[in-house]
Amino acid sequence: ELKVEQNPLFLSMQEGKNYTIYCNYSTTSDRLYWYRQDPGKSLESLFVLLSNGAVKQEGRLMASLDTKARLSTLHITAAVHDLSATYFCAVDEGGSEKLVFGKGTKLTVNP
Amino acid sequence: NAGVTQTPKFQVLKTGQSMTLQCAQDMNHEYMSWYRQDPGMGLRLIHYSVGAGITDQGEVPNGYNVSRSTTEDFPLRLLSAAPSQTSVYFCASSYGGPGKNIQYFGAGTRLSVL
Repeated sequence: ELKVEQNPLFLSMQEGKNYTIYCNYSTTSDRLYWYRQDPGKSLESLFVLLSNGAVKQEGRLMASLDTKARLSTLHITAAVHDLSATYFCAVDEGGSEKLVFGKGTKLTVNP
Repeated sequence: NAGVTQTPKFQVLKTGQSMTLQCAQDMNHEYMSWYRQDPGMGLRLIHYSVGAGITDQGEVPNGYNVSRSTTEDFPLRLLSAAPSQTSVYFCASSYGGPGKNIQYFGAGTRLSVL
């Protein structure tokens, strides 16, 4: 059974600082997704990582995937308040048409 | 282009009542799914469908039924609501399955069962 663990679950940081969110998963997969959710809103797709070594960047966010370590990271550079949200990673359960989500990381960026 | 539309947005039920959560997409996606989101639990898959006439169970299917008579619609039925089904429900769709493509999510239905 695929398990997906994110850490930290809560992250409070100051504007301008850098930080990394980690997503570990328990079984082989080469497809990983990052989503953002604002309070009371739906989920918005941020990144799709489809192979080992994949790196995607959008603004102050950069995601990477290491399938051998079963690890993805979401790196935040010079955080701004607008990045405050909950971030989820999700992993494809080996071609089963199912996604398994982590519990999410609630990020708060303070002025 | 509306994307994924869920109705209603909010619903309060009494224990034992039944209801149907509606989900429709206009992107001609084959794959549709239902998730529930509970505090601190992330999203958990309830049921999914890989095309019209085909459905399957996800991680937490008990107490829920689905059907897929058309490509566009994927309703979720609660036959006898229980307080444990208080949650936020999201419908999602994708072309070719979530393991192959981005899933697009609806705005959610917030359900309270008293």
